[in-house]
Amino acid sequence: DQQVKQNSPSLSVQEGRISILNCDYTNSMFDYFLWYKKYPAEGPTFLISISSIKDKNEDGRFTVFLNKSAKHLSLHIVPSQPGDSAVYFCAATGAGSYQLTFGKGTKLSVIP
Amino acid sequence: DSGVTQTPKHLITATGQRVTLRCSPRSGDLSVYWYQQSLDQGLQFLIQYYNGEERAKGNILERFSAQQFPDLHSELNLSSLELGDSALYFCASSGSPPGGTGELFFGEGSRLTVL
Repeated sequence: DQQVKQNSPSLSVQEGRISILNCDYTNSMFDYFLWYKKYPAEGPTFLISISSIKDKNEDGRFTVFLNKSAKHLSLHIVPSQPGDSAVYFCAATGAGSYQLTFGKGTKLSVIP
Repeated sequence: DSGVTQTPKHLITATGQRVTLRCSPRSGDLSVYWYQQSLDQGLQFLIQYYNGEERAKGNILERFSAQQFPDLHSELNLSSLELGDSALYFCASSGSPPGGTGELFFGEGSRLTVL
């Protein structure tokens, strides 16, 4: 039972355009959501997060949107840069736990 | 550099063998997590330790065990290895106490190949 789903294994975007990565979850107990970025041969690194009491969180070029009723969140990267090319994992947690449930990841390729 | 150190980076062994993966968390972090990433899979939570005590367990096989030592480093022991155990094993740490922002700091992973 996959509680966090990233249905797009890969995404290609032109440099300078917007990248939109999507994530759906099924567990209504999740109340905190995170995005991690992973480069090859490195561990995942934290990118941005959002609490369930918010519907948007912005950090520079990165914005995460949360639609609780649809159990859906998305990560927007504007403008996309070649250095953003990586695998992006959506993760969720709840009830004050650090135990994260991850999606399978979306590989983003930003084409110069 | 996340500050989390994992050894070894690569390990090749045979079925039926036993291996130990080691993790040193960030300085000051009391929680250590182990995750497994198999081919085309997301990171699967295995187990969490907090200040030496087991705090949460995920889908960890009975053939696997872990512990966290007084100096806070952790070891993940994998025994009676099978081909399907080939994966990337990540260790992560976080600040105390549990229940904060959920941000984990990951090591670079240990790639285990079982032949």
